[in-house]
Amino acid sequence: EADIYQTPRYLVIGTGKKITLECSQTMGHDKMYWYQQDPGMELHLIHYSYGVNSTEKGDLSSESTVSRIRTEHFPLTLESARPSHTSQYLCASSEGGGADTQYFGPGTRLTVL
Amino acid sequence: GESVGLHLPTLSVQEGDNSIINCAYSNSASDYFIWYKQESGKGPQFIIDIRSNMDKRQGQRVTVLLNKTVKHLSLQIAATQPGDSAVYFCAENFAGNQFYFGTGTSLTVIP
Repeated sequence: EADIYQTPRYLVIGTGKKITLECSQTMGHDKMYWYQQDPGMELHLIHYSYGVNSTEKGDLSSESTVSRIRTEHFPLTLESARPSHTSQYLCASSEGGGADTQYFGPGTRLTVL
Repeated sequence: GESVGLHLPTLSVQEGDNSIINCAYSNSASDYFIWYKQESGKGPQFIIDIRSNMDKRQGQRVTVLLNKTVKHLSLQIAATQPGDSAVYFCAENFAGNQFYFGTGTSLTVIP
């Protein structure tokens, strides 16, 4: 069982609200990732980080932002939520140093009304 | 956002039978592959991985086969159990860059 946590697990929120999805891992992993996954669909990378103060955008265009001030935390923020942001958001981490196994959190299911 | 009307490939097997889940990957230069299992409401869970210098790797009840000639990956589950019911994803990686995930296959085990 991977030690990677996401909160909240479920969130229903109105349009225009600012939200932050939390992700934390206790494995000391350098690399962390955020994926977006619609029901029955593949995972799409939206943000990743190679370490503290490192953030990069993934392939999927996203209106979210991330920060990496501490190794353990990689929060994702939506400044103004829209119904099109309704999806599942998955956080993952890996040790780094090349291709290696990513460990996933349980996900946050976001619904924007 | 949400997608409507799209369905995962599905596979139904009897409990105790062997399951084979297939994946076609896109980049002939990909050198590392992972199979993940995702149960409903949970994040993907690592099952087994394989590097491109191998064509077969075995784990507990699972075997991954890699055919680089046709860019094909398969996951074999022996003696499938009801707890194996989930969506299975393959992921490919090239030179330590980001992973690309396949669409997934929904496995249902019939008791």
